[in-house]
Amino acid sequence: DQQVKQNSPSLSVQEGRISILNCDYTNSMFDYFLWYKKYPAEGPTFLISISSIKDKNEDGRFTVFLNKSAKHLSLHIVPSQPGDSAVYFCAASAGGNQGGKLIFGQGTELSVKP
Amino acid sequence: DAGVTQSPTHLIKTRGQQVTLRCSPKSGHDTVSWYQQALGQGPQFIFQYYEEEERQRGNFPDRFSGHQFPNYSSELNVNALLLGDSALYLCASSDDLGDTQYFGPGTRLTVL
Repeated sequence: DQQVKQNSPSLSVQEGRISILNCDYTNSMFDYFLWYKKYPAEGPTFLISISSIKDKNEDGRFTVFLNKSAKHLSLHIVPSQPGDSAVYFCAASAGGNQGGKLIFGQGTELSVKP
Repeated sequence: DAGVTQSPTHLIKTRGQQVTLRCSPKSGHDTVSWYQQALGQGPQFIFQYYEEEERQRGNFPDRFSGHQFPNYSSELNVNALLLGDSALYLCASSDDLGDTQYFGPGTRLTVL
């Protein structure tokens, strides 16, 4: 079963506008969420994370929002830049004896057009 | 500050062979996790090593095994390779108290 889902395989945005990438999860035991960015032929690069005790975390142009009741998180990139074009993965982990195991979504390919 | 490194970058094997992939964690990290990423999919957790022991394991057969050395580096071994083992193999490291994992560039394994 797919515990973490990214339902949009791709997203196209104009440079300077906002990019919103979405992620849904089903496991209520998840307590830590991360976003990674991946360029072709490279490993995933950590972008930003959020603990389940928060509903928002901001780092520069990147903001992650967490809605626990809806089991939904989103990544906002403002303003979007052509260099942001990549595949974005959300990931989740549960604490306790499941700590450390990251469950990934299938990714959303973001294309930022000049 | 060196990040996570993996070797080799690419590898081509034939069915039935065995392969060993290597990973050195980020400086200061003591926990290593391995993931398999098939084309068009997100990474899937294989296992995690801490203090030279396998601490957690995902849904992968026993053909997949690993090892962690006293210097925290790690190896992933896959026996009796199948065509379906062709994938990008990613190593990630973290410190035991941290939830954030940092990934290496991966090893692209092709099984013919």
